[in-house]
Amino acid sequence: QLQLQESGPGLVKPSETVSLTCTVSGSGSISISNYYWGWIRQTPGKGLEWIGNIYYSGSTYYNPSLKSRVTISVDTSKNQFSLRLSSVTAADTAVYYCARHISDSSGHWSVDYWGQGTLVTVSS
Amino acid sequence: EIVLTQSPGTLSLSPGERATLSCRASQRVSSSFLAWYQQKPGQAPRLLIYGTSSRATGIPDRFSGSGSGTDFTLTISRLEPEDFAVYYCQQYGSSQITFGQGTRLEIK
Repeated sequence: QLQLQESGPGLVKPSETVSLTCTVSGSGSISISNYYWGWIRQTPGKGLEWIGNIYYSGSTYYNPSLKSRVTISVDTSKNQFSLRLSSVTAADTAVYYCARHISDSSGHWSVDYWGQGTLVTVSS
Repeated sequence: EIVLTQSPGTLSLSPGERATLSCRASQRVSSSFLAWYQQKPGQAPRLLIYGTSSRATGIPDRFSGSGSGTDFTLTISRLEPEDFAVYYCQQYGSSQITFGQGTRLEIK
């Protein structure tokens, strides 16, 4: 059974950069075709918001509204991928999920595995 | 960006009844690809339906999806107690994903 586990700080100050890491374990390598590895966040006000994802080769795709502040990277040797979100504000306070995206034969993504989520609070 | 609007916001039904949840897109959805998720309190969402009508692994056949273009539906044929949760639709297009705002299915 595939498992994804987020790790990182729960509290970040405004204007700083938050870094989260997702460790993939169980039945699966991060270096498998047709799977993308990404981040989704959830707030009471905005619901589920897709942040972006990465393919094991390093190709990245980002939400245009966050693109200028987001970097997603992958470390295949550790079976991990990471999120960096810069210049955070209170609006970035959310539960952050790491998630596996599966691509169908036409290249469409859905999300078939999720981490348990980690709350990131932006506050001074 | 394609905006997904789900209705109703809250649906109150009893176990054994049929539930019909709607998801409407602001533009035609790419290849009519739509997914549905279920989320219970304190848990991550769970994939129910992908490709508009294909059930994900382990999903009971009382869950079904349909639709095309801009109008999509998730139907739960006979509600079980464990089905009361929040449901989200999701579309893929132009190398990005967007979600609907959710429908809360509550026990009447």
